[in-house]
Amino acid sequence: EAQVTQNPRYLITVTGKKLTVTCSQNMNHEYMSWYRQDPGLGLRQIYYSMNVEVTDKGDVPEGYKVSRKEKRNFPLILESPSPNQTSLYFCASSLSQDTGELFFGEGSRLTVL
Amino acid sequence: GEDVEQSLFLSVREGDSSVINCTYTDSSSTYLYWYKQEPGAGLQLLTYIFSNMDMKQDQRLTVLLNKKDKHLSLRIADTQTGDSAIYFCAESIGDYKLSFGAGTTVTVRA
Repeated sequence: EAQVTQNPRYLITVTGKKLTVTCSQNMNHEYMSWYRQDPGLGLRQIYYSMNVEVTDKGDVPEGYKVSRKEKRNFPLILESPSPNQTSLYFCASSLSQDTGELFFGEGSRLTVL
Repeated sequence: GEDVEQSLFLSVREGDSSVINCTYTDSSSTYLYWYKQEPGAGLQLLTYIFSNMDMKQDQRLTVLLNKKDKHLSLRIADTQTGDSAIYFCAESIGDYKLSFGAGTTVTVRA
């Protein structure tokens, strides 16, 4: 089954404790992206990657890091989480920009205390 | 996203039509999209329209595009309880980038 898998789905952590949210897709997609969803703000792009070893900042990259060592994986790293990073995070992938169809994971709800 | 605006809530009676409106700012957008998010799930592409089209119909869904006013709408005919969800409007901005609206929460009441 074609899918984007994120882990963990839920996480409660404390300020400053490094964490990684993993994302994996099995569709051989070149493009992958991370978004955060906050009430009233919709989805805002954090980072994206157009291919292996190619990453770029989105609209709200501060406090986040990413890596793209393999085509299927695109982890999101919070080196020193802060409460303002409490949010719902989505990973998405796409084969191409022809139609812009993004395939989304189910989301990871992160709470930073 | 600040470039795409849509109303936050819509309540509709089961069996009626729903109309969700959206305005966008980038006149060079090639595609405009409607995504649907059901509770506890990620977004799924519902439909999209190419910028040189005025209308697209797909079963119960009708998308209208007014490029002059930069206005996009989604009409759902015969709205069902399964249509209760958050609907996001999005526009393409350059390569590989979508700008999303804040989402319209549609509640279908019996």
